[in-house]
Amino acid sequence: KAGVTQTPRYLIKTRGQQVTLSCSPISGHRSVSWYQQTPGQGLQFLFEYFSETQRNKGNFPGRFSGRQFSNSRSEMNVSTLELGDSALYLCASSGAGALTDTQYFGPGTRLTVL
Amino acid sequence: GESVGLHLPTLSVQEGDNSIINCAYSNSASDYFIWYKQESGKGPQFIIDIRSNMDKRQGQRVTVLLNKTVKHLSLQIAATQPGDSAVYFCAENTYAGGTSYGKLTFGQGTILTVHP
Repeated sequence: KAGVTQTPRYLIKTRGQQVTLSCSPISGHRSVSWYQQTPGQGLQFLFEYFSETQRNKGNFPGRFSGRQFSNSRSEMNVSTLELGDSALYLCASSGAGALTDTQYFGPGTRLTVL
Repeated sequence: GESVGLHLPTLSVQEGDNSIINCAYSNSASDYFIWYKQESGKGPQFIIDIRSNMDKRQGQRVTVLLNKTVKHLSLQIAATQPGDSAVYFCAENTYAGGTSYGKLTFGQGTILTVHP
């Protein structure tokens, strides 16, 4: 079974631009969670989607948004990029996003904001 | 706010030794704990998990111990190999209705280096 895939793997943007990242979950998984990983803050939860609905959200500004499609693929968007948005963005999929559902992570998208 | 784990420590061991990686968590209501391994350039990889109603769980070469009294979690790796070199993260989730969906709270991680 194929794992979680993320595209693109690397992105370079400039301040003020916007970016869209894509995540394809493991086949059959309906929950997709997004995380931001930085050296200073570690791994932080952004949001979770299930059946095209955002069910949970972390403490990030409204510039960070996402969506999920009917095939469970998910995208996240960051508008008006800031230097501090440079990070590794990880998505993880699980069966249903329940408490004990194992989350399987993709390789991440490395975003650099100049 | 709630937090799991310590500031990023390092652990160096010799190949064949047993390794113990520790993690402290702050939320006494945490229900579910997971250990992940992250190698350079890769996403976190699931190792083992444990629920709060358990004290110990074993996998292949790994054991997780949970001490709820002192809010401490540990990962033991037997016969550590160079391929075990990575950053190890503990993570937790707490049942709180809708706010628990898909949300893991991660510790800062521990760098494990295994010397041949």
